Amino acid sequence: DTGVSQNPRHKITKRGQNVTFRCDPISEHNRLYWYRQTLGQGPEFLTYFQNEAQLEKSRLLSDRFSAERPKGSFSTLEIQRTEQGDSAMYLCASSSPGTALYEQYFGPGTRLTVT
Amino acid sequence: QKEVEQDPGPLSVPEGAIVSLNCTYSNSAFQYFMWYRQYSRKGPELLMYTYSSGNKEDGRFTAQVDKSSKYISLFIRDSQPSDSATYLCAMSESGTYKYIFGTGTRLKVLA
Repeated sequence: DTGVSQNPRHKITKRGQNVTFRCDPISEHNRLYWYRQTLGQGPEFLTYFQNEAQLEKSRLLSDRFSAERPKGSFSTLEIQRTEQGDSAMYLCASSSPGTALYEQYFGPGTRLTVT
Repeated sequence: QKEVEQDPGPLSVPEGAIVSLNCTYSNSAFQYFMWYRQYSRKGPELLMYTYSSGNKEDGRFTAQVDKSSKYISLFIRDSQPSDSATYLCAMSESGTYKYIFGTGTRLKVLA
C-alpha cells in the first residue's frame, strides 16, 4: 500500500501521560500536514512541514504539542501532559511538490482517548 | 461565525436519487475548494477539487463554485448505498497550506 500510514491507530492513555504518534507520508511527498478532528467536526489544521522545515503552526498547537520531521520523511507528533480535551482523531496528510497545494492525501488517523 | 458553514445532516435519500451537498463561506480570499468523503473511523478521501469559480464533473460527481454568493455544491447522481459517508468541504487561500474544513454532512443512501 503506497498511501499515508499512521501508527498507532488507537491510543488510550491516562491524563498527564505523554504520547507520540507517527506518520509516514506517500513516498516522495515533501509536504506533510497534521490535523486534529473531534467528533462531529471537520479536521482542524495543526502544522505543516516542507521537507524537514516546519513552516506553519496553528495557535491550536499549544506548548504541550511538538511535531518533528527530522529527515524530511516520516513525522512524529508528541503531546506532553495529556488532558481530556486532547481526545480526538489526529490526522496526517501529505502532498507532492509536483501538484498544487490542494491535493492533500490523508492517512487513516490515530484516535487518542485520554481517560 | 465560522469561516465555513456546512449543514451536519443527517441527510437520508433513496438509492438512485440525486444528492445535493452545500457549503457557504465568509472569506472572499478562498481560491481552492475541495470535497472529501470520510467513512466512519477512516481518514478523509479527496473526491473533487476546483480552483476559483465554475463547475467540474467526474463520473457521478459534479462540483460547483459560486464565488459571488460564497457558495459551493457537490452533486452526486445515481446515489448508491456505498456513497453513505460524511462529506466534508474544505477551502484554502492561494499561497497557504492549511485547509479550512466544514463540519461535514452525514449522508445515508437507503437501498
